[in-house]
Amino acid sequence: QSVLTQPPSVSGAPGQRVTISCTGSSSNIGADYDVHWYQQLPGTAPKLLIYGNKNRPSGVPDRFSGSRSGTSASLAITGLQAEDEADYYCHSYDSSLSGSVFGGGTKLTVL
Amino acid sequence: QITLKESGPTLVEPTQTLTLTCTFSGFSLSTNGVGVGWIRQPPGKALEYLALVYWDDDKRYSPSLRGRLTITKDTSKNQVVLTMTNMDPVDTATYYCAHWTSGGYFDYWGQGTLVTVSS
Repeated sequence: QSVLTQPPSVSGAPGQRVTISCTGSSSNIGADYDVHWYQQLPGTAPKLLIYGNKNRPSGVPDRFSGSRSGTSASLAITGLQAEDEADYYCHSYDSSLSGSVFGGGTKLTVL
Repeated sequence: QITLKESGPTLVEPTQTLTLTCTFSGFSLSTNGVGVGWIRQPPGKALEYLALVYWDDDKRYSPSLRGRLTITKDTSKNQVVLTMTNMDPVDTATYYCAHWTSGGYFDYWGQGTLVTVSS
């Protein structure tokens, strides 16, 4: 059971907007630690998608955006494309564990 | 250009010790604010943080595995080594090493290496 909770799956049609939630607690997201997001395409290593809650690395389309509020964070994907079909993971720091924690991952299906 | 690559055995017997090496290029592990971490992913399951070594040789481990893990760095060779003792079939996973930044995230990842624990 992951410290950060994500929905197991989300889906949307091409062109639609989807959001993926990441719920933590007072020892991680709620303690003001940053949240980062990774995209893992099938059979490949994770790729940094969002860092510091809302920042995109160079090359990541602006269709991807992140936000954080209270003990939760969200990843939003607009203008959904078939190539967005992947697993998405949130990541933060937990003070009670003194280390990184990941969410359980969310599988995005593009209908 | 930062790259990382994991190497080690693909098959380990139960109770044995696993030794994995991460060989990297494009950065120095003696640079302030840099680290290298290990993360694993059992087949079909989520990512799990294992350990992290910082530029100043400080080390952090996942509490659930702390007694079994050791992480070391060799700055001159641009390598980080992870050892995990008393391997069990539940430790079967793809093991990744990744470049860590002071922002707290892993911005570059290796391709991963699948380790199977079986007799």
